[in-house]
Amino acid sequence: DAGVIQSPRHEVTEMGQEVTLRCKPISGHDYLFWYRQTMMRGLELLIYFNNNVPIDDSGMPEDRFSAKMPNASFSTLKIQPSEPRDSAVYFCASSLLWVPGQVIYNEQFFGPGTRLTVL
Amino acid sequence: AQTVTQSQPEMSVQEAETVTLSCTYDTSESDYYLFWYKQPPSRQMILVIRQEAYKQQNATENRFSVNFQKAAKSFSLKISDSQLGDAAMYFCALNAGNMLTFGGGTRLMVKP
Repeated sequence: DAGVIQSPRHEVTEMGQEVTLRCKPISGHDYLFWYRQTMMRGLELLIYFNNNVPIDDSGMPEDRFSAKMPNASFSTLKIQPSEPRDSAVYFCASSLLWVPGQVIYNEQFFGPGTRLTVL
Repeated sequence: AQTVTQSQPEMSVQEAETVTLSCTYDTSESDYYLFWYKQPPSRQMILVIRQEAYKQQNATENRFSVNFQKAAKSFSLKISDSQLGDAAMYFCALNAGNMLTFGGGTRLMVKP
């Protein structure tokens, strides 16, 4: 398995532009997570999906951020319009079904991340 | 709410020596899991070791082991025979019901 795939690996854009980050989870995984990593705030969960349905988006910073999962093998995180404070590394992760007592099913596998720079 | 605290922003160890990274956490869940992730300069998040909260036995993975103290809500990582490749950021993480909460990280430096 190729693992979690994210694209692009690097994105540089200007303030006000729309940015779309993409993620392909590991085949067969039921959960998909989007995280943001910054020096100031560390790793933050933005949103997660179960079977393509958004379950918890309380971490999404504001309405400029939106995420979709149209099918089990693809998700996007969109920022419109982008601002310099959105500059960060964005990670996508996926995991299997949560099964109490089965920790191996609860491990989250991370993609390589997308480094976003908004000028 | 879940919290994870890593009180050591930076640690340094001599190559071949042993180092322990600290982590404390808080959760109201009875069923949860704890993880240590390594993040090298490549940014990739790599799972180092995992621990089921209901297991009293401490997890071990080669040179990596944990000291899990459930009552104290403590989950430290011990790295034995440190190698230059161990230099990275290390994150402690708590997973309760799919909500993975990370600590602030500890930067480990390994001196040759």
